[in-house]
Amino acid sequence: AQSVTQLGSHVSVSEGALVLLRCNYSSSVPPYLFWYVQYPNQGLQLLLKYTSAATLVKGINGFEAEFKKSETSFHLTKPSAHMSDAAEYFCAVMENQGGKLIFGQGTELSVKP
Amino acid sequence: DTEVTQTPKHLVMGMTNKKSLKCEQHMGHRAMYWYKQKAKKPPELMFVYSYEKLSINESVPSRFSPECPNSSLLNLHLHALQPEDSALYLCASSQGAGSYGYTFGSGTRLTVV
Repeated sequence: AQSVTQLGSHVSVSEGALVLLRCNYSSSVPPYLFWYVQYPNQGLQLLLKYTSAATLVKGINGFEAEFKKSETSFHLTKPSAHMSDAAEYFCAVMENQGGKLIFGQGTELSVKP
Repeated sequence: DTEVTQTPKHLVMGMTNKKSLKCEQHMGHRAMYWYKQKAKKPPELMFVYSYEKLSINESVPSRFSPECPNSSLLNLHLHALQPEDSALYLCASSQGAGSYGYTFGSGTRLTVV
């Protein structure tokens, strides 16, 4: 079964610093991978997705992620954190059969002034 | 229209009440989903509807009863819930399996008293 593991349940950065949120996947076939963001008391918003077209994927709000097959990773980065980036971030993989979206445990990002 | 609309946003109900959650999308998506999310946890899949037919039931208790009256509308009927059922209930839709990802609504915050 496909799965994703997010390393670090909580990450804290200073405003203007690099944001790096880690995600590793487990899949025997090329997966479809996603990053979602959830602000308090809201639903999930799609940041970006990997669909095998390009290994470096650019998303909304200045985020990007790089698919590395050799490392089975899909880490999310942003060069300069903003206070408004504080939220919960979920990495997810789409099951090839049945189309179920499987989420990682989530990483809470805090941004310090 | 690129949104999934959920109503109500907040719901408080007693353990003997019957209530319904509503979800609507007008993006032409043919798959719709119900997720349950507890605080500080990832969303957990409850039900999947594909072309208005229930395709996945993740062993959800019968006090939760989904309904898909048409391709744009998804309901979740609630009856005799328990306090532990208090959570954020998220609806999502997608064009189908694979690379499309899901579009999520903002959720219904349910409190069972």
